[in-house]
Amino acid sequence: AQSVAQPEDQVNVAEGNPLTVKCTYSVSGNPYLFWYVQYPNRGLQFLLKYITGDNLVKGSYGFEAEFNKSQTSFHLKKPSALVSDSALYFCAVRDPNTDKLIFGTGTRLQVFP
Amino acid sequence: GAVVSQHPSWVICKSGTSVKIECRSLDFQATTMFWYRQFPKQSLMLMATSNEGSKATYEQGVEKDKFLINHASLTLSTLTVTSAHPEDSSFYICSARALSGSITDTQYFGPGTRLTVL
Repeated sequence: AQSVAQPEDQVNVAEGNPLTVKCTYSVSGNPYLFWYVQYPNRGLQFLLKYITGDNLVKGSYGFEAEFNKSQTSFHLKKPSALVSDSALYFCAVRDPNTDKLIFGTGTRLQVFP
Repeated sequence: GAVVSQHPSWVICKSGTSVKIECRSLDFQATTMFWYRQFPKQSLMLMATSNEGSKATYEQGVEKDKFLINHASLTLSTLTVTSAHPEDSSFYICSARALSGSITDTQYFGPGTRLTVL
């Protein structure tokens, strides 16, 4: 079965430091991977995706993610965190059989000034 | 580009009444729209998938007679919660996937609707 794991419920980082939010996946075939961010009482905003091509994907607001096929991971990264990056982050993979998005449980990022 | 709107952003209703939530893709045509429900501090739960002009496909455990979905055009889908009860109180989020172009692989989400049933 297709699945996504976000092993950390919360990640704390100081402003200006690099951040990483982890995601691993299990899917048959080539994965379509996505990262979304959710601010309180808001819908999800698309950050970036990996479909094919370069393993390092650059997205919105300075975020990037690295697709690692051997480790089945798609970790979200940013070189220098901002307080305004504090939000809930969801990793998702598209199920190739159903075309539906399968979401991880979410990771709350807290950036301290 | 790729903006999805929802209306209303929040609604309070009495138990037993029906509530309609609209989801629109503002700058693209959506072949498929999705409706999700999100409980506090939880991930999104897919309720149903709708394609323009055809009946929605509901996930297991979702009552299709209670959550009526209409995908009338390539830019509009509606979710009607019929005879709402307090347990239907939740955050409802729609999303849309484009018909064509470079954004077809991506689902774009609306801002959500907070439903409170008294």
